Amino acid sequence: GIQVEQSPPDLILQEGANSTLRCNFSDSVNNLQWFHQNPWGQLINLFYIPSGTKQNGRLSATTVATERYSLLYISSSQTTDSGVYFCAVAFNQAGTALIFGKGTTLSVSS
Amino acid sequence: SAVISQKPSRDICQRGTSLTIQCQVDSQVTMMFWYRQQPGQSLTLIATANQGSEATYESGFVIDKFPISRPNLTFSTLTVSNMSPEDSSIYLCSVVWRGRTDTQYFGPGTRLTVL
Repeated sequence: GIQVEQSPPDLILQEGANSTLRCNFSDSVNNLQWFHQNPWGQLINLFYIPSGTKQNGRLSATTVATERYSLLYISSSQTTDSGVYFCAVAFNQAGTALIFGKGTTLSVSS
Repeated sequence: SAVISQKPSRDICQRGTSLTIQCQVDSQVTMMFWYRQQPGQSLTLIATANQGSEATYESGFVIDKFPISRPNLTFSTLTVSNMSPEDSSIYLCSVVWRGRTDTQYFGPGTRLTVL
């Protein structure tokens, strides 16, 4: 089956720093989503981005589908950015279940 | 915005018992899924909840252990049967909203501890 690999597994930052999280996937996908799981366990949608680039405030994401990777950029990080960031993919459009990577655990200290 | 709720939010159960988790949404959805997140791990799909018919289970998950119902477009239940400590996990439902076929949204989760 499709494999989803995220890097780095852990990331420690000072408040205000920038970071890049990477997601590699082993096959062509039609659905790619980034999530943030906060310390209370809630999964928050960040981006639906099977291809192209999107930005939302301090966060942006780019997916290069032909090269099978996606990047999540966090600028001017804040302590509230702490948590686990998951990349998830599906072969087909939403309606088919997502396959999750193992996540990147981000800790931002003040 | 549309709301997904789960009940209970957390529970502590004795081994050998069963727990039913409810997922309720406030508008119609096309798809509903159930996932498990074991401690410190990523999310793994248990099954797709199909309205009015048997759920579709992923490899490693069986109906006798995780019976699922979905009687209508806004409600589903997952039962964790004959529990053991290995079932201690967060259980999450997710949905695809009718008319929005691109993004999957997750409920707040049910944190289950089995003693």
